[in-house]
Amino acid sequence: AQSVTQLGSHVSVSEGALVLLRCNYSSSVPPYLFWYVQYPNQGLQLLLKYTTGATLVKGINGFEAEFKKSETSFHLTKPSAHMSDAAEYFCAASGTYKYIFGTGTRLKVLA
Amino acid sequence: DVKVTQSSRYLVKRTGEKVFLECVQDMDHENMFWYRQDPGLGLRLIYFSYDVKMKEKGDIPEGYSVSREKKERFSLILESASTNQTSMYLCASRGRDSGAKNIQYFGAGTRLSVL
Repeated sequence: AQSVTQLGSHVSVSEGALVLLRCNYSSSVPPYLFWYVQYPNQGLQLLLKYTTGATLVKGINGFEAEFKKSETSFHLTKPSAHMSDAAEYFCAASGTYKYIFGTGTRLKVLA
Repeated sequence: DVKVTQSSRYLVKRTGEKVFLECVQDMDHENMFWYRQDPGLGLRLIYFSYDVKMKEKGDIPEGYSVSREKKERFSLILESASTNQTSMYLCASRGRDSGAKNIQYFGAGTRLSVL
């Protein structure tokens, strides 16, 4: 069965510092992988997705993620954090009907 | 743009009440989902529907039921609300044509408080 693990329920970074949010998946076959962001009191919106092809995926707001099959990872990065990046981030793996979500990482950006 | 609309952003109900949460999508998506979101637990799937009048239990269906009479509308029903159902509820929809590659689109959520 598929599972998704996000390491660190809370991450704090200084404004301008590198953002790294970790996601590992467990699956017998490489799944389709997604990162979503949730701002306070809002629904989830898609940041980026990996389906096939290039393993480095670029998303909105300067975020990117790299699919590493050997490490079963799909970590999310951004070179320079902005105050507006403060939100909760969810990694997900896709099945035919359903997604499997990680438990989320809340990102705090310090001035 | 895909739009998923949840009828209420905030609801306050009393224990024992029957509660209806409504969700409408405008993209002719076959698949619709209801999740519950709680701190530290992420998103947990309650029910999903892959077609009109079809439904499947998710991970935590107890205490909930659903209805999908029309393709665009998916309702979540709490037959007798309890305080442990106080939570954020998120609806999502997803097309079927590209299978597992498809994105789920989310509504803004309904924050339900059961007193």
